[in-house]
Amino acid sequence: SQQGEEDPQALSIQEGENATMNCSYKTSINNLQWYRQNSGRGLVHLILIRSNEREKHSGRLRVTLDTSKKSSSLLITASRAADTASYFCATDVGRDDKIIFGKGTRLHILP
Amino acid sequence: EAEVAQSPRYKITEKSQAVAFWCDPISGHATLYWYRQILGQGPELLVQFQDESVVDDSQLPKDRFSAERLKGVDSTLKIQPAELGDSAMYLCASSLGQKETQYFGPGTRLLVL
Repeated sequence: SQQGEEDPQALSIQEGENATMNCSYKTSINNLQWYRQNSGRGLVHLILIRSNEREKHSGRLRVTLDTSKKSSSLLITASRAADTASYFCATDVGRDDKIIFGKGTRLHILP
Repeated sequence: EAEVAQSPRYKITEKSQAVAFWCDPISGHATLYWYRQILGQGPELLVQFQDESVVDDSQLPKDRFSAERLKGVDSTLKIQPAELGDSAMYLCASSLGQKETQYFGPGTRLLVL
């Protein structure tokens, strides 16, 4: 079962523009993570935000978390061709810290 | 930079055959995960090890899938017999501990004919 759901499922933007992806989840979380996956490859961890945090930055990435709305957003600023990938949110739930991935947003940066 | 190694990268097999995947986690990582990722979906946890012990195999189809991590280092995931619906990417990940960041290998893409 998947508790996180990314929106949109697919996104195409021009290089240099900002890309925003959203993740909604169903149950209370310990933390939320975002991962990137290039086509046919493994996942790369981007950023982790804890349930008591509201915003976090890492380079061109900005993640927000709204626990009252059970949602998170990932913003990539000044997009580059190399940002073309699938982006997944993963929620950490329960006492056993089970990680559950969403279905992902496929981001395509147009030259 | 240390990486999670997986082999083979690609595997084509016929249904009813046995297949095995191997994973070598980052040195010192106590927690090892096997995920299955169907095309267009997110990874789904199959089994999680803490050292040599299984801590979660609730989503592992135990009638045909088995996993082991005998010495608490590398791990093998086996499918016997393979079915058409097993075609997917099989990802291995490791972390220092259960609450730590997971590092993923490149995956093994399985095609069952």
